[in-house]
Amino acid sequence: EAEVAQSPRYKITEKSQAVAFWCDPISGHATLYWYRQILGQGPELLVQFQDESVVDDSQLPKDRFSAERLKGVDSTLKIQPAELGDSAMYLCASSSKQRNTEAFFGQGTRLTVV
Amino acid sequence: AQSVAQPEDQVNVAEGNPLTVKCTYSVSGNPYLFWYVQYPNRGLQFLLKYITGDNLVKGSYGFEAEFNKSQTSFHLKKPSALVSDSALYFCAVTLKSSGDKLTFGTGTRLAVRP
Repeated sequence: EAEVAQSPRYKITEKSQAVAFWCDPISGHATLYWYRQILGQGPELLVQFQDESVVDDSQLPKDRFSAERLKGVDSTLKIQPAELGDSAMYLCASSSKQRNTEAFFGQGTRLTVV
Repeated sequence: AQSVAQPEDQVNVAEGNPLTVKCTYSVSGNPYLFWYVQYPNRGLQFLLKYITGDNLVKGSYGFEAEFNKSQTSFHLKKPSALVSDSALYFCAVTLKSSGDKLTFGTGTRLAVRP
């Protein structure tokens, strides 16, 4: 069964360092999402791509976060510099353009900033 | 703006008993509603969705949910709970049947005791 792949699964980084997460969506899925899930809360959208274009990054803290999906396939989310409050689970999801289809989520990257 | 409320942080039920996890939503338009489940340090797994049609939706692992437009609710149910159902459950809403960001509730932890 096709899956959304994310790496790394776990990341510990020091405050003010740079960190990057990678996501490979299900083959053929045009829409890719990055969500952030703080412990005890529901996931919140950071950025949404349609192919290689950003369609929603209104909740992305652009002073420190960046995201790209250069060829419209895999994607990278970067944080520079990391802050203690960035500790969270970062979830990638993808969905197809077909109607009535749901989003599929990866296993997530658990980030701890120390 | 769209929002989802899950009024119970935790639901406790004995194995073999029926369970209900509550969800209410607020959207300006016709909602598309989803339930996802999350196990510790894992991503979200899709359970079921309401797009249109029959108000009673059946999903994975014996779960079902009932869409009630007048009460703006989409409660998750299962006739007989299993210990293995213990997990974190999220209700989510979008305004499009696909390719739209999900707005999640804060989650409900289900604990099924043997």
